[in-house]
Amino acid sequence: EVQLVESGGGSVQPGESLRLSCAASGFTFSSSWMHWVRQAPGKGLVWVARINTVGSSTWYADSVQGRFTISRDNAKNTLYLQLNSLRVDDTAVYYCVLSTGSGGGTFEFWGRGTLVTVSS
Amino acid sequence: SYVLTQPPSVSVAPGKTAMITCGGHDIGSKSVHWYQQKAGQAPVVVIYYDSDRPSGIPERFSGSNPGNTATLTISRVEAGDEADYYCQVWDSSGDQWVFGGGTKLTVL
Repeated sequence: EVQLVESGGGSVQPGESLRLSCAASGFTFSSSWMHWVRQAPGKGLVWVARINTVGSSTWYADSVQGRFTISRDNAKNTLYLQLNSLRVDDTAVYYCVLSTGSGGGTFEFWGRGTLVTVSS
Repeated sequence: SYVLTQPPSVSVAPGKTAMITCGGHDIGSKSVHWYQQKAGQAPVVVIYYDSDRPSGIPERFSGSNPGNTATLTISRVEAGDEADYYCQVWDSSGDQWVFGGGTKLTVL
C-alpha cells in the first residue's frame, strides 16, 4: 500500500524558513517523480514543485521560484521541501504527491498534508 | 501561463446527472485529470487521461475532452458525491502543472 506521510509544518513569522519532509513507502520511491501541491485555507489546489527520480531536475511554480527548494533522499525514501523567505500568502496545507503515467503524469497518490501558517 | 476555468458550483438532485466543465485554450490537445476532494480530506483522482477511471472509482464517473472544454460527468448522483472537483493538466510549453479553480458539487 502506498503511504505518503508529511511532517515539518508549523507556525512561523514572515521571512522565516521551514523544511517539510515526506516519508514514502509501499512503492519504488527511487523510480518515481514526486510533487508538492498546496492549498490555502478555503481555496483551491495549486501545484508547487516537481522533482525527477534522481533529483537532478526540478520545476517550480512562479510564485515560489527562488524561495522554495524541492529535493529527495532516495536512500531514505524521503522527499523534502525547503521553504525560505516565507510570506503570509504561503499559508497552506502542503501535500506530497506521487505522480504516475506518461507525459506530465497524473497525481495518483496524495499524503494527508501538513499545515504551514505564516503570520506576524 | 495556462489557465483552466471551472464553474464555481454545480447543484444536482440525487439520481440525476451532474456535468462539470473545464475550459482552456486548445485543451483538447492536452490530457485532463479530475480530482475529487471531500471536506477535510486529501484529493483523490477520479478520472485520468481524459476518460480513464482508476480502480475503485464507480462507473458512474466518466470524462471526455473533445475540444475546447473537458467534462466530468457523474451519473446517478449520490449524496456521497458531494465534494469539490478539480481539473488539472500539464502545460508542457512551460513545464507547469495547472489546476482549475475547482467546482463545488452540491447534492440537493
